[in-house]
Amino acid sequence: EAGVAQSPRYKIIEKRQSVAFWCNPISGHATLYWYQQILGQGPKLLIQFQNNGVVDDSQLPKDRFSAERLKGVDSTLKIQPAKLEDSAVYLCASSLGGTSVNEQFFGPGTRLTVL
Amino acid sequence: AQSVTQLGSHVSVSEGALVLLRCNYSSSVPPYLFWYVQYPNQGLQLLLKYTTGATLVKGINGFEAEFKKSETSFHLTKPSAHMSDAAEYFCAVSQRTGANNLFFGTGTRLTVIP
Repeated sequence: EAGVAQSPRYKIIEKRQSVAFWCNPISGHATLYWYQQILGQGPKLLIQFQNNGVVDDSQLPKDRFSAERLKGVDSTLKIQPAKLEDSAVYLCASSLGGTSVNEQFFGPGTRLTVL
Repeated sequence: AQSVTQLGSHVSVSEGALVLLRCNYSSSVPPYLFWYVQYPNQGLQLLLKYTTGATLVKGINGFEAEFKKSETSFHLTKPSAHMSDAAEYFCAVSQRTGANNLFFGTGTRLTVIP
C-alpha cells in the first residue's frame, strides 16, 4: 500500500513570495490533515478535511494560508505571502475516518525555508 | 483545553539500557493517548495508542506505555534500547468526542550510546 505522498520535499523562498505544497493521501482515506512543525516543536494542526469539506481550520492563519481539496482526494496548501516565521516542516496526514481511533498516516513532509 | 507535557527534550541511554520517555497530559476528561516516532527526514509513525480497556499498551518495536489516570501520565518504555531506536518521540492526545485533532507534545530526542 502506497503511503502519503508530498511534494516538494524541500523549498527555499524569500519572504513575501508565494509557495504551494501538494499532498496525495492514501487511497480511500476520507480525512486529510495539514500540520505545521516548527523546529523544536511538535506538529500543530492547520486544517482538517473530511472528503472535500473543511472540518477544522481554526488554527489556519487565513490572511496568508489557504488550502483546498477540491475532489476529495489530493490537496494543496498555499502560503501567500510568506513570512520568516513560516519556516517549518509541513506535514500531510490521512486517515480512514474522522474519529480519533483511526490512525493518522503521515507523509515525509515538505521543509520550507523562508529567507 | 488539552495540553501535553514531555519532560526532557533530550534523553540519552546506553545500548541495552531501559528507555523511559515521560508524557503527562492535561484534560478535563481522559483523552485518547498516542506515541509517535519520527526518524530523520521522515514523517511520523504511530508506535502505540490507548483508547480504552487495558491500561498497559504494547506497540511496535518492543515499546509499551501505561496509562495512569491518577497521575495523568502515559510514559513510554522499552526494556532494552537498540541503536535503531534513536529518533524523536512525540506524545499526543485527542479528545474522545467531537473533533479528533491530535495535540502533540514538544518531543523528546532519544540518543542511544553504543
